[in-house]
Amino acid sequence: QKEVEQNSGPLSVPEGAIASLNCTYSDRGSQSFFWYRQYSGKSPELIMSIYSNGDKEDGRFTAQLNKASQYVSLLIRDSQPSDSATYLCAAYTGGFKTIFGAGTRLFVKA
Amino acid sequence: SAVISQKPSRDICQRGTSLTIQCQVDSQVTMMFWYRQQPGQSLTLIATANQGSEATYESGFVIDKFPISRPNLTFSTLTVSNMSPEDSSIYLCSVERGPSTDTQYFGPGTRLTVL
Repeated sequence: QKEVEQNSGPLSVPEGAIASLNCTYSDRGSQSFFWYRQYSGKSPELIMSIYSNGDKEDGRFTAQLNKASQYVSLLIRDSQPSDSATYLCAAYTGGFKTIFGAGTRLFVKA
Repeated sequence: SAVISQKPSRDICQRGTSLTIQCQVDSQVTMMFWYRQQPGQSLTLIATANQGSEATYESGFVIDKFPISRPNLTFSTLTVSNMSPEDSSIYLCSVERGPSTDTQYFGPGTRLTVL
């Protein structure tokens, strides 16, 4: 069964620190990877996509992909209390199928 | 991205009744998806709806319980039938977008409570 695994957390970081969120995926054929942010009571919001090995930066967010290790990460620099949310990692496995991880809860302390 | 709306945003229903959730997108999309998210859990795909064909259901979900309509390229409905308290959940529709249609964007969700 195809899976995406994440540490459920909570991950607690002080304001201004770097938050590091990780996930692994089981389907080696997955080509597209996504990070969604979900605030409590809200729907998931896409914040990053990554397709190639290496880093992709967008503002304070950096996504990292290592296909050989089947590993995806999200770094949030200068973390703010408003970044406190659950972060879902997802892998597109083809055939209109996207597998979502269970999410990591991030708490940024002011 | 996409602008997606869902109705209702929340509802409280009695056991044994049915609720139809509507999902409207601001532009035409090929695929629409229906998910369920129970408290503290991740997303579980219920079915994929392609306009003009029967929805494709995931293991554990059946058409009699979750009938889906997809009458055009901007609209879909999900009905939760003969509800029980176990159906209490957030129901989300999503659409695929992006250059390779691999990116999903979610509607605001419908919070359903069954008493």
